Amino acid sequence: QKEVEQNSGPLSVPEGAIASLNCTYSDRGSQSFFWYRQYSGKSPELIMSIYSNGDKEDGRFTAQLNKASQYVSLLIRDSQPSDSATYLCAVNGNAGNMLTFGGGTRLMVKP
Amino acid sequence: EPEVTQTPSHQVTQMGQEVILRCVPISNHLYFYWYRQILGQKVEFLVSFYNNEISEKSEIFDDQFSVERPDGSNFTLKIRSTKLEDSAMYFCASSRQDYGYTFGSGTRLTVV
Repeated sequence: QKEVEQNSGPLSVPEGAIASLNCTYSDRGSQSFFWYRQYSGKSPELIMSIYSNGDKEDGRFTAQLNKASQYVSLLIRDSQPSDSATYLCAVNGNAGNMLTFGGGTRLMVKP
Repeated sequence: EPEVTQTPSHQVTQMGQEVILRCVPISNHLYFYWYRQILGQKVEFLVSFYNNEISEKSEIFDDQFSVERPDGSNFTLKIRSTKLEDSAMYFCASSRQDYGYTFGSGTRLTVV
C-alpha cells in the first residue's frame, strides 16, 4: 500500500514569514512529486512539481526533494493571507500516471 | 489558460439511481483521470484512461463504475446504482504525460 503522509495542521504563520510544509512517502520507487493547493470547496491547483533530488524554486515557492529519506517539502516565502489553504502532496510511482495524495496540511497565514 | 470543464457542478440523486458525470479535458492532453474526495478526506484515485482504454484503476472503481470517451472531447464517469457512500466531490483531470495534472472544478455528488 503506497502511503503519503502529511501533518494535517493547522500550521499558523504570520504574514511575511516562511511557511514550511512537509511530506513523506512510502514507495521508494516514486518518480515524480507534486504540490497542490486546495481552497475550501475547490479543486486542487498545481503549484510545484519536482523530479530530482535538491531544490526547485518558482517565485515564492521552493520544493525540496530527498529521495534517500523519502521526503519532500514546500517552502513558501513571504507568506500572504491569500496563501491560506490546504496544501496537498502528491506522488507518482514508477508505473503509470496515477497520483497518491496525502491528506493535506492546512496553512493559515495571519495578517 | 486552458481548463478542464466539468458538468454538472452539483448533482443530487436518489440511492440506486444511475448518474453520469461529464468532463471536457484540455484538448491536447492524452491522459484522463477521475478522482474523488469524500468530505474531509484525501483525494482518491479512481481510474486513468489513455488511448481509448482504461490504463489503471483502483479498488474503489468496481463494477458499478464505468468510463467512456464517447467523442473526441467528452470524458464521462457513470455510476450505475449509486450508494450513500458515493457522495463525494468527483474531480476529472487531464495531463499530457507526467507534467502534473490539471483538475476540473469538480462535481459534488449527493446521494440521498
